Amino acid sequence: GENVEQHPSTLSVQEGDSAVIKCTYSDSASNYFPWYKQELGKGPQLIIDIRSNVGEKKDQRIAVTLNKTAKHFSLHITETQPEDSAVYFCAASNSWGKLQFGAGTQVVVTP
Amino acid sequence: DSGVTQTPKHLITATGQRVTLRCSPRSGDLSVYWYQQSLDQGLQFLIQYYNGEERAKGNILERFSAQQFPDLHSELNLSSLELGDSALYFCASSVSGDTADTQYFGPGTRLTVL
Repeated sequence: GENVEQHPSTLSVQEGDSAVIKCTYSDSASNYFPWYKQELGKGPQLIIDIRSNVGEKKDQRIAVTLNKTAKHFSLHITETQPEDSAVYFCAASNSWGKLQFGAGTQVVVTP
Repeated sequence: DSGVTQTPKHLITATGQRVTLRCSPRSGDLSVYWYQQSLDQGLQFLIQYYNGEERAKGNILERFSAQQFPDLHSELNLSSLELGDSALYFCASSVSGDTADTQYFGPGTRLTVL
């Protein structure tokens, strides 16, 4: 089955700097790659997603890149703010809606 | 607010007991998913329903079962509970349940088994 690895497990950045989280997946049939943000005590919230026919997608300060050949995708957050502090999960889907999640990255933005 | 509702928010019970978790999908969504989140296993897919029918199954234990009703709400039943079943249980919903369909998560039910 699909296996998703996510790095780093924790990331501390200064406010205003950029944050990058990287994920790799194992199943070349995967074609959908969402990113979720989870704050303490809440459910995962979709922040951006990318489908396999696109190499890059941007939404304001957030961007995702996908390299299907290398089977990896990355989340980029620019101009980080304290409210960006949360756990971020990448995921991959290769059959119906079954999402395989990475282990998560704890992002801490310090003022 | 994703539009997905889950009840109860918290549940505390004892080993060997049975509980039912309830989920109402977003208006218009036909597919419901259940996920378990624990510290050691992370976010794990359990099962998916589409318009009342089971569509995909993950690592769901035989002690666990689910169903989706005609009004599209779903219930996850956990029986013969063990300490290791303590976790957050999330429900998500999507429009069609296809591979690249966006899934929206509910706030979760925190289950504590004592």
